[in-house]
Parts: sequence; structure tokens; C-alpha cells
Amino acid sequence: EDQVTQSPEALRLQEGESSSLNCSYTVSGLRGLFWYRQDPGKGPEFLFTLYSAGEEKEKERLKATLTKKESFLHITAPKPEDSATYLCAVQAAGNTGKLIFGQGTTLQVKP
Amino acid sequence: GAGVSQSPSNKVTEKGKDVELRCDPISGHTALYWYRQSLGQGLEFLIYFQGNSAPDKSGLPSDRFSAERTGGSVSTLTIQRTQQEDSAVYLCASSHRLAGNTGELFFGEGSRLTVL
Repeated sequence: EDQVTQSPEALRLQEGESSSLNCSYTVSGLRGLFWYRQDPGKGPEFLFTLYSAGEEKEKERLKATLTKKESFLHITAPKPEDSATYLCAVQAAGNTGKLIFGQGTTLQVKP
Repeated sequence: GAGVSQSPSNKVTEKGKDVELRCDPISGHTALYWYRQSLGQGLEFLIYFQGNSAPDKSGLPSDRFSAERTGGSVSTLTIQRTQQEDSAVYLCASSHRLAGNTGELFFGEGSRLTVL
């Protein structure tokens, strides 16, 4: 069964304190791995797509990396506005529509 | 610009009643998805539509749940004989092409359903 597990469930950081969020996945052939950001009361907002092991994507203070078993979302020198829930999702090869989401990591960055 | 629009934003209903949730996707998007998010949980896939193809209904939790998409645009998710465990935020998303091409789904803000 295709599955996504994110850790930690919650993370509190001081402003400027870098850290990483983990997304472990089990999928029958990975077609793509996706990161989304979700603010309270809002729908998720797309951040990155990673397709193959070794691939990296960056956007401002965020950097996503991918291995054959997991993905990391690195947050460098975070700011309070980075506080949100970060969701990881995968799509299996041959499944042309469904994204399977993890439970998310809720990040709080304190000034 | 116009994003994905969902209505109602909040719905409180009594156990056993039927509810309809509506989604207006971004104009020109051919793919439309419904997900459910329970408190503190990740997104649970329900159903997706792609153009005129048969929808993937594999995520619908029971036969009380159904969805349709009229004219390739607006979609309605119907829950019959609601139960308390149906309480959740129902999220609709659309994409220009199938999600596998870029993974970029555009989500609405959701319809929060509370079943008393």
C-alpha cells in the first residue's frame, strides 16, 4: 500500500534557527513527490515537485531534496511568516491523478 | 485572478440529513479533485475527474458519498444521510492537466462540514 509519513508532527523554532522536515514514503514506483504549504483556514499551496532521487528544488528559504526513500524540506534561517503546516504528497507511477498526502508537519517560528 | 471557489464555506447539519458541497474550478482546468481533511489529519483523497473520462471514485468512503461534474466545470459533492464521522473540511482542487505532470493542484479554501 502506498504510504507517506511525515516527521516531526510539530516543530517549534526560533527565528533564524535552521532545521529540516522529513517525509518518508512507500510507493509502487514514484512518479513524483510534492510539497505543499497550508496556512490555517486555507487550502494547501503548491511549493515543489521532485521527480527523481538526487533532485533538489529551492524557493527563498526552502530547499527540498529527494532520495529513493524520503524527502527533506530544509528551512534556512526561518522567519515567523514561514509558520504553517507543510504537507508532503506522492503520486505512484501508473496512477495518473491521485496524490497521497502525509499528515503534515506544523511549523511554528517564534520571533 | 479567480481561484477555486467552494460553497458553502461552513455547513452545520443534523445527523441523517443530506448535504451538497459545490466547487467552481479555475476556468480552463480540466482536472478536478475532492479531498477530505479531518481535524489534525492529512488530506484524504475522495474522487477526481479528468475531462470526459470516467472519474476515479476509489477514495469515496461509502455509497453515501457521490460527486458529479457538469459540463466539465462545476462539481457537486453530495453526502447522504450524514454521520458525525463525516465532519471534516472538504477541499476541492483543480489543475490544468493531470497532477502527475507537475503536481501543482490549486486548492479552494474548503467547506467545513459539522454534523451534530
